[in-house]
Amino acid sequence: NAGVIQTPRHKVTGKGQEATLWCEPISGHSAVFWYRQTIVQGLEFLTYFRNQAPIDDSGMPKERFSAQMPNQSHSTLKIQSTQPQDSAVYLCASSLGHNNQAPLFGEGTRLSVL
Amino acid sequence: AQSVDQPDAHVTLSEGASLELRCSYSYSAAPYLFWYVQYPGQSLQFLLKYITGDTVVKGTKGFEAEFRKSNSSFNLKKSPAHWSDSAKYFCALPMNTEGADRLTFGKGTQLIIQP
Repeated sequence: NAGVIQTPRHKVTGKGQEATLWCEPISGHSAVFWYRQTIVQGLEFLTYFRNQAPIDDSGMPKERFSAQMPNQSHSTLKIQSTQPQDSAVYLCASSLGHNNQAPLFGEGTRLSVL
Repeated sequence: AQSVDQPDAHVTLSEGASLELRCSYSYSAAPYLFWYVQYPGQSLQFLLKYITGDTVVKGTKGFEAEFRKSNSSFNLKKSPAHWSDSAKYFCALPMNTEGADRLTFGKGTQLIIQP
């Protein structure tokens, strides 16, 4: 079975440009999560969808970050006016949505903002 | 607030030794606890989880972890260690008591196994 698929694997943007990251969760998984990983901050929770509905975006920087899940087969994370501090690996994960299920992670998208 | 701490940023061992990576937690209810591993250049892979019941849980790649409520720990163990176990290991628990979906992660322990 295919795991969580994230595209692109690497993205380079100039400061002020927009970046859109894509995630295809595991088929049948109802919960989708976005995390950000940096050396300094470690793994940070960004946002969470259940059955395509946004549940918790408490980790999202409010002004430039947005996430959507238009259908059950993909989610997007959009960063407007990217800044160098947005450089990180963005990880998408999915799970069956039950309380004790371990989210399974994709390979991530490495975003580099020059 | 729920939190998880991995006090050892780096651990270096010789191949064949026993490894134990420490994880302590703070949680206001009965916790679900997880271990993940991240190999260089790769994403996180799920190793094992504790939900309830037996205090020693077995996972993939020969790893096991022991849940100790008395000192709020969930240490990861393997014996013997192999050079291929060199990776970064993360302990995690739910961000709140509503469910295990949203996890908060420790800072991770970088494990180096010397041949």
